[in-house]
Amino acid sequence: AQSVTQLDSQVPVFEEAPVELRCNYSSSVSVYLFWYVQYPNQGLQLLLKYLSGSTLVESINGFEAEFNKSQTSFHLRKPSVHISDTAEYFCAVSLHSGGYQKVTFGIGTKLQVIP
Amino acid sequence: EAGVTQFPSHSVIEKGQTVTLRCDPISGHDNLYWYRRVMGKEIKFLLHFVKESKQDESGMPNNRFLAERTGGTYSTLKVQPAELEDSGVYFCASSRRLAGAYEQYFGPGTRLTVT
Repeated sequence: AQSVTQLDSQVPVFEEAPVELRCNYSSSVSVYLFWYVQYPNQGLQLLLKYLSGSTLVESINGFEAEFNKSQTSFHLRKPSVHISDTAEYFCAVSLHSGGYQKVTFGIGTKLQVIP
Repeated sequence: EAGVTQFPSHSVIEKGQTVTLRCDPISGHDNLYWYRRVMGKEIKFLLHFVKESKQDESGMPNNRFLAERTGGTYSTLKVQPAELEDSGVYFCASSRRLAGAYEQYFGPGTRLTVT
């Protein structure tokens, strides 16, 4: 079975400062890796994903995450945050399983951007 | 393309009552998933449909929960009788095969409060 650990439940950061949200996973087999975001009063949205290939993946709004197999990590980073980035962020994994993708989530990290 | 929709957005019921949650997946998505997030905990998988068939219901908490997917379109999740520990946010997601990966699209969730 796989598991996901998000060590920080809340991360306050000033606007325009950099931020890193940490994610570590555990799995005995290959997995896909995801970051989902939930803005206030909205549903979950896929922010970015790692399937294969380049270990650095980017989102359209400036976030990036790097897959580190040796450290089993998939930390999310942004060099300069905006007020609109205030949301809850979920790291997630799923198995490489043909035709079926059961997702295992971390507990979530609330990012609070301070003006 | 319309997203995944869920109804109701919020439900407050008393212990012992019955509640039915509905999910309408994105048109053409054969895979439909139910997840639940209890306050302060991870989002956890409940079950997975492929069209109208239950592929995996290993995450269903107990036999008070019944999920159906009529004709392979919308799905319902019934809780009968509801208990206090059933409170939480119930998410529905759908997916189809896309470029070798199976990206899931989530609905906004139904917040269930059992008093």
